Order: sequence, then C-alpha cells, then structure tokens
Amino acid sequence: QKEVEQDPGPLSVPEGAIVSLNCTYSNSAFQYFMWYRQYSRKGPELLMYTYSSGNKEDGRFTAQVDKSSKYISLFIRDSQPSDSATYLCAMSKGQGAQKLVFGQGTRLTINP
Amino acid sequence: ETGVTQSPTHLIKTRGQQVTLRCSSQSGHNTVSWYQQALGQGPQFIFQYYREEENGRGNFPPRFSGLQFPNYSSELNVNALELDDSALYLCASSFGTSWNTGTQYFGPGTRLTVL
Repeated sequence: QKEVEQDPGPLSVPEGAIVSLNCTYSNSAFQYFMWYRQYSRKGPELLMYTYSSGNKEDGRFTAQVDKSSKYISLFIRDSQPSDSATYLCAMSKGQGAQKLVFGQGTRLTINP
Repeated sequence: ETGVTQSPTHLIKTRGQQVTLRCSSQSGHNTVSWYQQALGQGPQFIFQYYREEENGRGNFPPRFSGLQFPNYSSELNVNALELDDSALYLCASSFGTSWNTGTQYFGPGTRLTVL
C-alpha cells in the first residue's frame, strides 16, 4: 500500500467550475502538506502548503487538511483553462531531510 | 534571482552505461534534493545534499550516487543503467533543511531514456 494515494484521473471540467482534488495518506507522522502543479514537460511548482490540520486560502485556491481522517484537499474556484495541469499532493514529516512523499498526481483539464 | 537549472534536458543511454546529471541551485540555496519521476507517477525521493554532505536517502540502490560542490551545485550519477531507470529526474533546491526555511523549488528536470 502506498503511503499517499491520489486518484490519477483524468478529470475534465468546464471553465468556471469549482474543482476538488483529494489525497489520502496512511502515515500519521506527516505534519506538512503541500500541493504542487506540474505542467507538461516542466518541474513541479509549489502552489500551497499547510502545517497540521486546517484551511489555507490563496486567491482562487484553498487547501484543507483533516489529520483525523488522513485526508487533504485542494479546491480551485473559477477554474481557468490555464489551470490545466497535473496536480500533485506531497507531504513531509518535517524532521531531518525534507523527504517529500508525493501522490501519483491528478491530471486536470479545464475546457473553455 | 536565478531559478533551478538542470542539464542536459534529454539523454538517451543504453543498458549498463553510466550517466551524470547536473543541477544548479537557485541563488542563495544550500540544499539540493533529487527525485525520480516515472511516467504517470509522482516524484520519488532519491537523496538530499546539505553543505556538501548526504543528508538523507530514499529507497534507491547504491548505484545511485551524488555530489554537491562548494557552490552548492550538484550531480546525480547512476551506474549500470537499467531499463527501469528511464524517468524524469528532478532536482529541487532549498535553503536549509528545516521546514520553515526549506521550501523546495524544482528545476525542469532531465528526461533519461534507457534502451
């Protein structure tokens, strides 16, 4: 069983829709939770990070962490075609080397 | 501010050969982490270098080795290449190793194909 599970999709939604992306994890030692966006043939770009449980908002993006359920989410409001990319969740225990453990990534397409 | 750069962009090798991939850290960063991303998968942690010393390693065999230089640039070396080594190799740089200073910034990657 993988430490981090993420539905690979693909997910296709119309422009302007609210997108919900999710990951579950099994290791309760994870303390830091991140979402990266990766365009085709590019490296991952950090979108959001949160520490422990709670919500964090940045513009059209909201990250939620529920440590009791071992479940994290990323919401994208007013989705745009430029949001089309692969979204990777990642997490870290935050101790020692910052080994990031990634999910498989969800491929998202926003249709104009 | 200069971002993370990697070279070469693409590389084709045959099984059994050796390869060296290079990474230049973002200006001001002293920590480099390497990840392997197979097609359709998330990146997997290979190892991290902090101030020229290995500072953690993932589940990769010893034929994966690295170096970090005094200017904090880094190399990833892979010996005895296998077909399963075909992947995108990502370098990420950060400042320090604690979370509050160590946000990792990724380079564009080197795509390695092993035939």
